[in-house]
Amino acid sequence: DVKVTQSSRYLVKRTGEKVFLECVQDMDHENMFWYRQDPGLGLRLIYFSYDVKMKEKGDIPEGYSVSREKKERFSLILESASTNQTSMYLCASRPAGLNYGYTFGSGTRLTVV
Amino acid sequence: GENVEQHPSTLSVQEGDSAVIKCTYSDSASNYFPWYKQELGKGPQLIIDIRSNVGEKKDQRIAVTLNKTAKHFSLHITETQPEDSAVYFCAATSPLSGGYNKLIFGAGTRLAVHP
Repeated sequence: DVKVTQSSRYLVKRTGEKVFLECVQDMDHENMFWYRQDPGLGLRLIYFSYDVKMKEKGDIPEGYSVSREKKERFSLILESASTNQTSMYLCASRPAGLNYGYTFGSGTRLTVV
Repeated sequence: GENVEQHPSTLSVQEGDSAVIKCTYSDSASNYFPWYKQELGKGPQLIIDIRSNVGEKKDQRIAVTLNKTAKHFSLHITETQPEDSAVYFCAATSPLSGGYNKLIFGAGTRLAVHP
């Protein structure tokens, strides 16, 4: 069964901490994405990567960065966590090409206190 | 910018009834429209999708229709069952530079199917 695995289901961090959210996929997909999900706002794109070492800003990149050193792993980094970054974070991947649906991970619910 | 609007935000039906969720999109270049189901504590899961060269697609109790002229697409669930209760998201592609695209998601519809 193909999978997108997010390393933590729940995280609690303190304001100002540097936070790493990890995502690994086993489908050899080229494209990977990080979304955050908030009630009433749906899913909003933070960053994405078309391939290894590549990264592009999404719609809400402020306060975040990413790293993709290997094809299967895409990390989201909160440089200095703030309370307004409390959210559900979803990682997704898909094959290269224009019209394929994403495969999502189960999400990481991050609380910043 | 590009936008996907989804209605209703909540939907409550009796088991066996039909449920319809509607979305509109703003980018005329959108050409792929997936629907996702998200159950409690899980990530969204692709349940059906449609491409812009097709007007309707059906998979058992689920169907999707697309009206490109009106920039409108809908999810239809027939003979609903309690296990259909979940949050449903529509999405549409939005082109990016370099020939890539991203998905823009609607805000979601919380469907409750009552026995």
